[in-house]
Amino acid sequence: GQNIDQPTEMTATEGAIVQINCTYQTSGFNGLFWYQQHAGEAPTFLSYNVLDGLEEKGRFSSFLSRSKGYSYLLLKELQMKDSASYLCAPGDSNYQLIWGAGTKLIIKP
Amino acid sequence: GAGVSQSPSNKVTEKGKDVELRCDPISGHTALYWYRQSLGQGLEFLIYFQGNSAPDKSGLPSDRFSAERTGGSVSTLTIQRTQQEDSAVYLCASSLGGRRGEAFFGQGTRLTVV
Repeated sequence: GQNIDQPTEMTATEGAIVQINCTYQTSGFNGLFWYQQHAGEAPTFLSYNVLDGLEEKGRFSSFLSRSKGYSYLLLKELQMKDSASYLCAPGDSNYQLIWGAGTKLIIKP
Repeated sequence: GAGVSQSPSNKVTEKGKDVELRCDPISGHTALYWYRQSLGQGLEFLIYFQGNSAPDKSGLPSDRFSAERTGGSVSTLTIQRTQQEDSAVYLCASSLGGRRGEAFFGQGTRLTVV
């Protein structure tokens, strides 16, 4: 079957760094997406990895290891506005996105 | 339009009534998804349309739910004989499909069944 695992909730301090892990099992694999969702809003795209390694985009980076079925999202210099849920979504063999339940990130001053 | 448009943004309906939710995807996007999200919960997959292929309906929770996509563009999600447990935000997303699969979401329809 298809399965996505992420921590349910994480807490971090403003200005710090946090890593949100995601492990996945899908029928085939066609890249992995990370999305951010603020409470009461729709998810918005953050990053996409299709090859192994680290993709850096400003304060956010995403890593992928296809052989391990593992990805992480790294957020640096945390700001209060980063408080949100972070959703991991690999694409399966039909390019359909399979969504995890998301990790709720709480930033404290 | 520039983004995915959903209507209505809010819908309150009486238990037992039918409702139709509409999604206008981004022009040219061949893939379209419907999801349901209850408060504080993750995205629950409902149905996936990709081009002219048969839709993946495996997420529809019961036969009261159906969806269609006309002309490869606008999609309608219909819920018949609504129940209180159908209350949720219904999100639509579209993408170019294939490896360019970044999904763009609409702002959702908040459905309340009373």
